[in-house]
Amino acid sequence: QTVVTQEPSLTVSPGGTVTLTCASSTGAVTGEYYPNWFQQKPGQAPRALIYSITNKHPWTPARFSGSLLGGKAALTLSGVQPDDEADYYCVLHYGGAQAHWVFGGGTKLTVL
Amino acid sequence: QVQLQESGPGLVKPSESLSLTCTVSGGSIRSSNYYWAWIRQPPGKGLEWIASIYYSGRSYYNPSLRSRVTISVDTSKNQFSLKMTSVTAADTAVYYCARDTGGVDTLWGQGTLVTVSS
Repeated sequence: QTVVTQEPSLTVSPGGTVTLTCASSTGAVTGEYYPNWFQQKPGQAPRALIYSITNKHPWTPARFSGSLLGGKAALTLSGVQPDDEADYYCVLHYGGAQAHWVFGGGTKLTVL
Repeated sequence: QVQLQESGPGLVKPSESLSLTCTVSGGSIRSSNYYWAWIRQPPGKGLEWIASIYYSGRSYYNPSLRSRVTISVDTSKNQFSLKMTSVTAADTAVYYCARDTGGVDTLWGQGTLVTVSS
């Protein structure tokens, strides 16, 4: 069973910078996993932020950026705002004969 | 623009089957290169991908749910559906339908809560 691991929780001060990571139990995350990042606020559906490692959707604020970092997918928020307090999920695609997607457990980001 | 709307019973009894439909409006489900997906989220927990299907019928499943789940597509109605058998309380969740789980064109519905209870 493939497992995708994220930090359960992180805290950041307003105006600060924070990096969330996304690791695969199968080894280093690469572009072949098409890492995506989603933001979810209470009572709302998830909203897509980043696709294929670094690419932003038209609505993604400039302060969000995606990358690969130390064998993991990473989401960096620079100049954090109180409105960024939310749950963040990554998802990875595993190819092959039984292709499937696996979500990470999510990171609860607190802005304090 | 394209919108997705989930529909189906909000309450299902244990051991019975759960059936949900996603209606795609504003665009054709036969659009090339899109896989149509179901994803769920138990209350207070994280997201879980369930299955995806192409308009041609090619499908793939979460290995842990494969034995209980069937995803299907009806291009004449511009809909795709999910059937899950032998449900338990652990299947209580908000179920989302989506165009592509991830990627440049990913688009999710607002979700529908399904409660498994007698």
